[in-house]
Amino acid sequence: DVKVTQSSRYLVKRTGEKVFLECVQDMDHENMFWYRQDPGLGLRLIYFSYDVKMKEKGDIPEGYSVSREKKERFSLILESASTNQTSMYLCASSGPGASGANVLTFGAGSRLTVL
Amino acid sequence: AQSVTQLDSQVPVFEEAPVELRCNYSSSVSVYLFWYVQYPNQGLQLLLKYLSGSTLVESINGFEAEFNKSQTSFHLRKPSVHISDTAEYFCALTGANNLFFGTGTRLTVIP
Repeated sequence: DVKVTQSSRYLVKRTGEKVFLECVQDMDHENMFWYRQDPGLGLRLIYFSYDVKMKEKGDIPEGYSVSREKKERFSLILESASTNQTSMYLCASSGPGASGANVLTFGAGSRLTVL
Repeated sequence: AQSVTQLDSQVPVFEEAPVELRCNYSSSVSVYLFWYVQYPNQGLQLLLKYLSGSTLVESINGFEAEFNKSQTSFHLRKPSVHISDTAEYFCALTGANNLFFGTGTRLTVIP
């Protein structure tokens, strides 16, 4: 069974802390995505990557960075967490190639609370 | 520009009643359309998709959606809902180079 695994389901951090959200997929997918989900706003794309060491900004990249050193792993980094980054974060992957017909496979989500 | 609009943020419906979740899109290029479902405390998963061919597509659990190009819609329907259908439903499209999600519709099935 194909899988996208997010390392932490729930995190509580303090303002100013550095936060790492890890995502691993076992499907050999080229494409990986980080979304943020907030009530009434749906899913908003933060960053995505079409290949190892490649990254592209999505709709709301401010305050975030990403790392993709290996094909299966895509990390989201909050350099200095702020309370307005309290949210549900969803990782997804897709393949093969960059076709718009690809279906996204999502992880279970990481709920981050910043105090 | 491309966008997806889900007209209803919440839809309550009694068990065994029919339901329609509305989705309209805007795009100047050909699109692929999807419905994803998110059950409580889970990530999203694909419910059904339209890529080409027949405009009526079905899921394994009784949902169907019809691609209507003239009305730029992709509404999701089920003739008789179950308690287990309670979830949030997201319409999405891909076009030239991006994937767009609607804001979601929370379906609550009432016993």
